[in-house]
Amino acid sequence: AQKITQTQPGMFVQEKEAVTLDCTYDTSDPSYGLFWYKQPSSGEMIFLIYQGSYDQQNATEGRYSLNFQKARKSANLVISASQLGDSAMYFCAMREWRRVQGAQKLVFGQGTRLTINP
Amino acid sequence: NAGVTQTPKFQVLKTGQSMTLQCAQDMNHNSMYWYRQDPGMGLRLIYYSASEGTTDKGEVPNGYNVSRLNKREFSLRLESAAPSQTSVYFCASSRAQGYTNTEAFFGQGTRLTVV
Repeated sequence: AQKITQTQPGMFVQEKEAVTLDCTYDTSDPSYGLFWYKQPSSGEMIFLIYQGSYDQQNATEGRYSLNFQKARKSANLVISASQLGDSAMYFCAMREWRRVQGAQKLVFGQGTRLTINP
Repeated sequence: NAGVTQTPKFQVLKTGQSMTLQCAQDMNHNSMYWYRQDPGMGLRLIYYSASEGTTDKGEVPNGYNVSRLNKREFSLRLESAAPSQTSVYFCASSRAQGYTNTEAFFGQGTRLTVV
């Protein structure tokens, strides 16, 4: 069964510093996708970045990058030059791509609450 | 461009009452999901539908039923509500495998309180 683990319940970072949010995953499927979402205090879920298991390059989207280490089964989110508006909950998620009944579900980790201090 | 629309946004139920949470998406997505989020917790998958005509249990299906009415709509039913089902419920949809943009899009959530 697929599993996502985020081991940092909370992180505190000074504004303008870079921050790394950890995510490890477990799957037996060679084909899968990894996602990061941001949930601000208003509650909506905002998609940040995606990495496919066969992608050769680490994904980047503006200030967000994904440090994908396939052998270690980790997919850490890196936020460069943090801003006050980055304060939020961050969730890592995984979806397997097997065309088998019961697969292809999108499963989330427990989340990390990031607080950016001025 | 509505995206994923959930109704209602807020609901208070008495223990034992039933209700259906509605979800509709206008992005022609194949896959749809229902999650619950308890305070300070992550999203736990209740049920999902990989494609029209199929539904599967997620991590916490007990006490819930779902219907994939058509490609657009995926409803979640609580037959006999319990206080333990007090939570925020999110519906989401995504493209299937084979597309480059497969992220899930979320509704605004339904805040359900069972007293």
